[in-house]
Amino acid sequence: SQQGEEDPQALSIQEGENATMNCSYKTSINNLQWYRQNSGRGLVHLILIRSNEREKHSGRLRVTLDTSKKSSSLLITASRAADTASYFCATALYSSASKIIFGSGTRLSIRP
Amino acid sequence: GAVVSQHPSRVICKSGTSVKIECRSLDFQATTMFWYRQFPKKSLMLMATSNEGSKATYEQGVEKDKFLINHASLTLSTLTVTSAHPEDSSFYICSAVFPGLETLEQYFGPGTRLTVT
Repeated sequence: SQQGEEDPQALSIQEGENATMNCSYKTSINNLQWYRQNSGRGLVHLILIRSNEREKHSGRLRVTLDTSKKSSSLLITASRAADTASYFCATALYSSASKIIFGSGTRLSIRP
Repeated sequence: GAVVSQHPSRVICKSGTSVKIECRSLDFQATTMFWYRQFPKKSLMLMATSNEGSKATYEQGVEKDKFLINHASLTLSTLTVTSAHPEDSSFYICSAVFPGLETLEQYFGPGTRLTVT
């Protein structure tokens, strides 16, 4: 079974607004990663946050991690039409730092 | 950044035939590669871990005789779908582990869309 569950499953917002996606997982992790996938394409790595980190920024992206609640969030600020994609969280378990398990994903649509 | 390629990008085959998908790390050596399967509008499901020079490790529920994995070199892993059936139609994605300083980052290929008729 998959490690992570994401919500919402789908999100539609107006261009310029902020988008927040959440991810919950079940077991202890080494790190958590967020990926973007455009329709029918491969995955693009966005950001990695380690289990001992609480927040990380990269451009318009802000990721938080709460290991006590086993949850993470991805915030995209000032959204653009090009941000339309599916976003997945993925967790790397302590037992294997490189093997990652993907969450169910959030389909984000940005309305112009 | 590191580049991973997959070939072919799309393949249509008849039921009962076998299909081979290649995954190559173009500018780095990858001792470990992963194979994923993705159904439409669904997440990626890890199928197996491919290690250079040793047998692949399959996830629970994945038939090793159905999905043959060979990691022949540090830059190439192949996935062969044997005796393909329509239910094997899917998007197959590989990733290669880039050995960094602190974490083992994965770089993903563009995927191969398999359609079995």
